[in-house]
Amino acid sequence: DGGITQSPKYLFRKEGQNVTLSCEQNLNHDAMYWYRQDPGQGLRLIYYSQIVNDFQKGDIAEGYSVSREKKESFPLTVTSAQKNPTAFYLCASSIQRGSPLHFGNGTRLTVT
Amino acid sequence: DAKTTQPNSMESNEEEPVHLPCNHSTISGTDYIHWYRQLPSQGPEYVIHGLTSNVNNRMASLAIAEDRKSSTLILHRATLRDAAVYYCILRWTQGGSEKLVFGKGTKLTVNP
Repeated sequence: DGGITQSPKYLFRKEGQNVTLSCEQNLNHDAMYWYRQDPGQGLRLIYYSQIVNDFQKGDIAEGYSVSREKKESFPLTVTSAQKNPTAFYLCASSIQRGSPLHFGNGTRLTVT
Repeated sequence: DAKTTQPNSMESNEEEPVHLPCNHSTISGTDYIHWYRQLPSQGPEYVIHGLTSNVNNRMASLAIAEDRKSSTLILHRATLRDAAVYYCILRWTQGGSEKLVFGKGTKLTVNP
């Protein structure tokens, strides 16, 4: 079955360490997105990519970085510069403009 | 950025219809209206989308106002499994990078 895989489901890190969250899709979708969700809140856009080797900052990109070297993969690095990294991170993809988004099941990151 | 406005919460009884409203007064002619829902600790799930005409699928119906400035997601017979946060978003179809923005959504409570 095609879909989006986010790994790991739970991630724990010490403050000051960089951490990379994985997002892989086998849907052959061009566009991919990263969102952050805090308890009781909606989704906030971190980064998005329409095609390989191209990505744009979303509303809360500070302290995060991404790469899009392959169509299937859009990893997100949470750097030590991110002031409050503990959150639920969601990756999504879409085949084209206007078409439905497919979401992964998220990674819950806890930084202590 | 295209923006939507939804009530923070709504409540319904099991097996009754539910009408979830969404305002999108700044919608442009080529924006699609999408609805997603999210269960706790899961990624959002696509529900339905439309452009101008009303749409039906196995999950729900989407009623779009004639001026397209508002829409309503209709769950014909709510079940306990429909309790979730529902998001209404607009998807661009014109040129340039598509920046998808989610609001806080509507939390639907279904009473037995």
